[in-house]
Amino acid sequence: DAGVTQSPTHLIKTRGQQVTLRCSPKSGHDTVSWYQQALGQGPQFIFQYYEEEERQRGNFPDRFSGHQFPNYSSELNVNALLLGDSALYLCASSLDQGNPYEQYFGPGTRLTVT
Amino acid sequence: GQNIDQPTEMTATEGAIVQINCTYQTSGFNGLFWYQQHAGEAPTFLSYNVLDGLEEKGRFSSFLSRSKGYSYLLLKELQMKDSASYLCAVWGDSNYQLIWGAGTKLIIKP
Repeated sequence: DAGVTQSPTHLIKTRGQQVTLRCSPKSGHDTVSWYQQALGQGPQFIFQYYEEEERQRGNFPDRFSGHQFPNYSSELNVNALLLGDSALYLCASSLDQGNPYEQYFGPGTRLTVT
Repeated sequence: GQNIDQPTEMTATEGAIVQINCTYQTSGFNGLFWYQQHAGEAPTFLSYNVLDGLEEKGRFSSFLSRSKGYSYLLLKELQMKDSASYLCAVWGDSNYQLIWGAGTKLIIKP
């Protein structure tokens, strides 16, 4: 049973560019949450997707957008990249009607903006 | 505002016991989580407390006092592999997002 997978593992982009990060949830999970974790900080909630819609959003600008596909996988898109967007981007999957502690994290995508 | 505080860094000796504290102020409370995160890796779930008291799970225990907005993670018989960051997170008034502390970096010395 595959856990949460994310791609790519590492990414280097230039300021102003756009990036797409991908996440496949754990088998049987229907909800995907995205987090940004800057170095030495805790994760910051970006948004959550359920039933192909953004269900809740954290305090992030509209440059951050996402999508969830019918197979529950998800994408995070960031436009007009800033140096401050450099971080580890974590995807977490869960079951909407499951236990609150059963949220599984993927290995993350390390984004570096130069 | 919502705030979670943890010490930035702690040092302990292999084989010893260490307690990592977490205080929180959130609008609403539906549970508190502890996660372990090794450098460059994803957080892994350690414990979840929703009622006051101590939850023991092997070498790790977690305590919660809702009236004090306080929790701690207790690690016993420390091993070198326990060197990691320990993150406290609260499930507040939203059903859909966790509020995270900045994490406590635990350094284990031989």
